[in-house]
Amino acid sequence: EDQVTQSPEALRLQEGESSSLNCSYTVSGLRGLFWYRQDPGKGPEFLFTLYSAGEEKEKERLKATLTKKESFLHITAPKPEDSATYLCAVQAFRAQKLVFGQGTRLTINP
Amino acid sequence: DVKVTQSSRYLVKRTGEKVFLECVQDMDHENMFWYRQDPGLGLRLIYFSYDVKMKEKGDIPEGYSVSREKKERFSLILESASTNQTSMYLCASSLSPTGGNSPLHFGNGTRLTVT
Repeated sequence: EDQVTQSPEALRLQEGESSSLNCSYTVSGLRGLFWYRQDPGKGPEFLFTLYSAGEEKEKERLKATLTKKESFLHITAPKPEDSATYLCAVQAFRAQKLVFGQGTRLTINP
Repeated sequence: DVKVTQSSRYLVKRTGEKVFLECVQDMDHENMFWYRQDPGLGLRLIYFSYDVKMKEKGDIPEGYSVSREKKERFSLILESASTNQTSMYLCASSLSPTGGNSPLHFGNGTRLTVT
């Protein structure tokens, strides 16, 4: 069974304090790994898709990386507006659907 | 920009009521999805549809049904609401039938409380 585990569940940082969120996955044949951002009271918003180990994607202060077992979402010099829940999802080649992790709730204090 | 609109932000219903959750997308996507989101459990797929009048069960279809009479509209139906169906319900659409090759575009959710 495909599984996704995100850690930590919650992370509180000071503005400017860089850190990383982890997404560990177990899937037989990874088709793609996806990162979404969810603000309170809103639906998730797509950030990145990663397809193969070694791939990296960047968007503003965010950089996503992928290995054969996990993905990291690196946040460099975060600002309060980066506060959100970050969701990771995977899709296997044989699967019809995505499997989501539980999310990491990130809070950036000014 | 794709817009996915869910008709209600908050709903309070009584046990046993029949509940309709409506979702409309404006980007002509063939694929639409219903998820529920619960603390500690993440997003779980209830049903999805890859074409008008077509539907497929997701991971947790029990107690739910869906209707897709028009391409832009996907309805989730709780036949007889129960308290364990209290949750946040999220509708999504995508160019991809799996939400994989093309990202999912989500609505802002309907928070349903069943008392």
